[in-house]
Amino acid sequence: EVQLVESGGGLVQPGGSLRLSCAASGFTFNSYAMSWVRQAPGMGLEWVSSISNGGDTTPYANSVKGRFTISRDNSKNTLFLQMNSLRADDTAIYYCAKCAGTCQHKWFDSWGQGALVTVSS
Amino acid sequence: DIQLTQSPSFLSASVGERVTITCRASQAMGSSLAWYQQKPGKAPNLLIYSASTLQGGVPSRFSGSGSGTDFTLTISSLQPEDFATYFCQQLDTYPLTFGGGTKVEIK
Repeated sequence: EVQLVESGGGLVQPGGSLRLSCAASGFTFNSYAMSWVRQAPGMGLEWVSSISNGGDTTPYANSVKGRFTISRDNSKNTLFLQMNSLRADDTAIYYCAKCAGTCQHKWFDSWGQGALVTVSS
Repeated sequence: DIQLTQSPSFLSASVGERVTITCRASQAMGSSLAWYQQKPGKAPNLLIYSASTLQGGVPSRFSGSGSGTDFTLTISSLQPEDFATYFCQQLDTYPLTFGGGTKVEIK
């Protein structure tokens, strides 16, 4: 059974940093691309970033480009999202999602339970 | 960026009714579209991929159709557990984008 467990969320001041982790199990992690998707309170879904299975391709949403960095450690089956220069509009639940192959032309077939990030002074 | 417009944004329906949700893309994208269901406080759950393929374990009352710019999700006979919010997502071009969502509530 695929399991994705996010951690690292919390309250941070504007301008601060936070690092999210997503521990994966139940599948061959290094064979699949992964993504982060966020959802602001009461709002819809917003794709944040994806990373190829080998880590060499990392597209980003314009809203986070230059501030967020996605990475992965295939030896530890873990996905990361380093978030810097956080703003109030980054407040959201952040979901880790597994792509069915690549993330382009494929679908997100498993999701974690989400990690809440609150940016406030 | 490919914009996805879902309609309606809200619908009220009774158990047993047939429900159709539409997702229109701002440019043609083949069949690279997925549908997800999200219940309050939960992560999204994949229903349909490649526009019309049912994900394993999803009840057959759910179906998807369309290609190019116009797509639909149909629930043939609404069940109590289907009251939720539904999102479409395009996986054709980065940035990947989602529709605004359709909330299905009990009439």
